[in-house]
Formats: sequence, C-alpha cells, structure tokens
Amino acid sequence: DAGVTQSPTHLIKTRGQQVTLRCSPKSGHDTVSWYQQALGQGPQFIFQYYEEEERQRGNFPDRFSGHQFPNYSSELNVNALLLGDSALYLCASSPRGWGDTEAFFGQGTRLTVV
Amino acid sequence: GESVGLHLPTLSVQEGDNSIINCAYSNSASDYFIWYKQESGKGPQFIIDIRSNMDKRQGQRVTVLLNKTVKHLSLQIAATQPGDSAVYFCAENITQGSQGNLIFGKGTKLSVKP
Repeated sequence: DAGVTQSPTHLIKTRGQQVTLRCSPKSGHDTVSWYQQALGQGPQFIFQYYEEEERQRGNFPDRFSGHQFPNYSSELNVNALLLGDSALYLCASSPRGWGDTEAFFGQGTRLTVV
Repeated sequence: GESVGLHLPTLSVQEGDNSIINCAYSNSASDYFIWYKQESGKGPQFIIDIRSNMDKRQGQRVTVLLNKTVKHLSLQIAATQPGDSAVYFCAENITQGSQGNLIFGKGTKLSVKP
C-alpha cells in the first residue's frame, strides 16, 4: 500500500498564475481533505471532499477550489496566486465516518510563489 | 475563537529520558484528539489518538492523557530516542455527523540530545 501520494513534490509559480496539486488517497479511503501549512505553523484546513462533492470548507477564499474524481483522487486548484500562498500543501485521506479513525497524510507539495 | 494551542514551543531532552508535550484546547465540543509527529520535509505521521470518553490511552512508548475539566491534552514519550526528534502537533476534531476536520495547534519541536 503506497499510502497517500501527492504530486508534484515541489513547485515554483509566479504571482498571478494558477496551480493544480494532485492527491491519491490511501487504498480503501474515500474521503480527502486538504490542508495548508505555512512555515513554522500547524496545518490549516482548506476543504474536504467525499462522493465527489465539497463537504466542508475552512476559512479560505474562493481562489481555492477542488475536485474529487470517481476513483477518490483529488485536485486542489489555486487561482491568482499570491506570495502568501507559499506553503506546504498537505492531503489527508480517511475512510467514511473518519471521526472514528485517524487521517493519513501525504508528504505534501511545497509551493513557492515568487 | 476556538483554537488549539501548545504550552511549550520547544523541548530539549536527553536521550533515554521521558518527554512530556502539552496541549490546550478551547472547544468543549471537540470529541476526538490526535497527536501527530512531523519530521522535516515530511507530512504529519499519526502517533496516537483518544476519544473524549477516555482519560488515557497507551501505545508503544507513548501515552496520551486527556483532562476534559481543564481542556488539556498531553503526550508522554518514554525513553526518548534521537529518532523522536521532530515537531509534534496535537489536533482536535469536532465530528460533524461523520465528517470532521482537524484543527491543529502550532506544534512543539522536540530535540533529543544523545
């Protein structure tokens, strides 16, 4: 089992550009959550997908959007990038009803906006 | 607002000693708590969890204590090893139906001296 995999591992973008990050959940998991982790901070919840729909959302602007595919994989899209969007973006997967079990995290995508 | 925080941002211990990492939470509705370990350049790794109907839970070399009266959570690591050096996060979850999200604290950096 490969666990949660994310791609790419590192990415450099220019301010104003758009970016797409990808996540494949752990085998058997159907719920995917995205987190943003700024340097020296704890991860901040962006949103969660289940059954191809956004189920919950944190305090992030509409520039952050996502998608979940029938195979449970997910994408995070960020439009009109700002310097402040530079962070480690983490994907976590969990089975349905995950409040009873831990979420597994991927290694993250390090996004640098210049 | 509701938040999860840590009492100590850094902790330095001698190899072989026991480590205690503390965490305060403020949301009385939280019913599930997780400790994560994050090594440099990696995603958070699950250590141990505890539900709000429990006071203590033990794993291999780790123990989590939950004091709901004062909204305090602690992680105890026995016989700390150099490989335990990392940033440790506590996270709380309010299980909204069956779909929750994690609220992380800022983290405590544990440094183990050989």
